Amino acid sequence: DADVTQTPRNRITKTGKRIMLECSQTKGHDRMYWYRQDPGLGLRLIYYSFDVKDINKGEISDGYSVSRQAQAKFSLSLESAIPNQTALYFCATSDAGRNGETQYFGPGTRLLVL
Amino acid sequence: AQSVTQPDIHITVSEGASLELRCNYSYGATPYLFWYVQSPGQGLQLLLKYFSGDTLVQGIKGFEAEFKRSQSSFNLRKPSVHWSDAAEYFCAVVGRGDMRFGAGTRLTVKP
Repeated sequence: DADVTQTPRNRITKTGKRIMLECSQTKGHDRMYWYRQDPGLGLRLIYYSFDVKDINKGEISDGYSVSRQAQAKFSLSLESAIPNQTALYFCATSDAGRNGETQYFGPGTRLLVL
Repeated sequence: AQSVTQPDIHITVSEGASLELRCNYSYGATPYLFWYVQSPGQGLQLLLKYFSGDTLVQGIKGFEAEFKRSQSSFNLRKPSVHWSDAAEYFCAVVGRGDMRFGAGTRLTVKP
């Protein structure tokens, strides 16, 4: 079984709709991250969480919110989706401590906003 | 904030030829540096990482990278490319808590 799972894997939605992307991990890591990937831009950090009570904005948090329901679960919400949020979204995890900077990625969620 | 530049958007090499992918970073202190690979339709897989110590690091799949502080570079190399190496490669740097990625280099392998 995969260590980091994302649901759904693909989603089509309409402008203005609320959508939630979910991430679960079985690695036992404290830290979780959400990124979006756009062609020619690489990955950009949306939000990150170092533990259940610690949530931080990343490089491009506007239009997004997150919820860390448990150590193993980190959800990303688009309250009112817009077309320029069409992208590939990745969840990642890392451990605290010496190797805390190494991140492990889920398979991605491809989102299309019409 | 830290940043990464990958100057080559797309590289094509013949199977069996050597490969070098360039990565330049900007960060005031000693960075943590990474190379990830993304195959089509897949997530990112860690190839190798540099935290400290020996500046030549070995990774999986026969890849290596060399950290050069004087040049702010962390170039990825492989002596003989296989067709299965065709993918997109991302260099990343961690500074103060968050990871920044380069825009990626897409590698095409010719038969």
